[in-house]
Amino acid sequence: DVKVTQSSRYLVKRTGEKVFLECVQDMDHENMFWYRQDPGLGLRLIYFSYDVKMKEKGDIPEGYSVSREKKERFSLILESASTNQTSMYLCASSLSLERGRQETQYFGPGTRLLVL
Amino acid sequence: GQNIDQPTEMTATEGAIVQINCTYQTSGFNGLFWYQQHAGEAPTFLSYNVLDGLEEKGRFSSFLSRSKGYSYLLLKELQMKDSASYLCAVEGNTPLVFGKGTRLSVIA
Repeated sequence: DVKVTQSSRYLVKRTGEKVFLECVQDMDHENMFWYRQDPGLGLRLIYFSYDVKMKEKGDIPEGYSVSREKKERFSLILESASTNQTSMYLCASSLSLERGRQETQYFGPGTRLLVL
Repeated sequence: GQNIDQPTEMTATEGAIVQINCTYQTSGFNGLFWYQQHAGEAPTFLSYNVLDGLEEKGRFSSFLSRSKGYSYLLLKELQMKDSASYLCAVEGNTPLVFGKGTRLSVIA
């Protein structure tokens, strides 16, 4: 079974703090993704990575950065947290297939972040 | 542009059949996924369609028509535990694009 773990289930931070969200997968997947999920807006892609040290902006990268130093770990960084970054953050990973396709994404349990 | 539409909410009775529709417009098409997400939990994979037609997996089936940009998820013999959000997602020339999800309530 694929296992995607996230460092925290719940997190409370203050405005202006630097926040690190860690994601680790144990299935040697090439692709990793960070989403945020908000009521009425669905899942929105923040950043993704198709390989170590590689990163691509998703639909809403502003205010976020990422790091992928090892294949199994993908970190999301909020340089200076703001109240509008209060959300559920979901990490996912998938295996690459031929011709640029990917297999299904497997999600971590999510981190519910509250920024006060 | 990329657009995926699905109904926001649906209600159905225990033991009944419900069909959740999804229409999409994306750049390229490499497959369509359905995920189930219970409240407060992560999405879990339900089905994948890349060719036209019906894929059946137990009580759940998923249908795809690529020419119409249309899919549906069919849930039979509904159980209370099927109360969840159902997400349609399309893989095209970009990473997966998700719809906003359909919240299904199963009532007795």
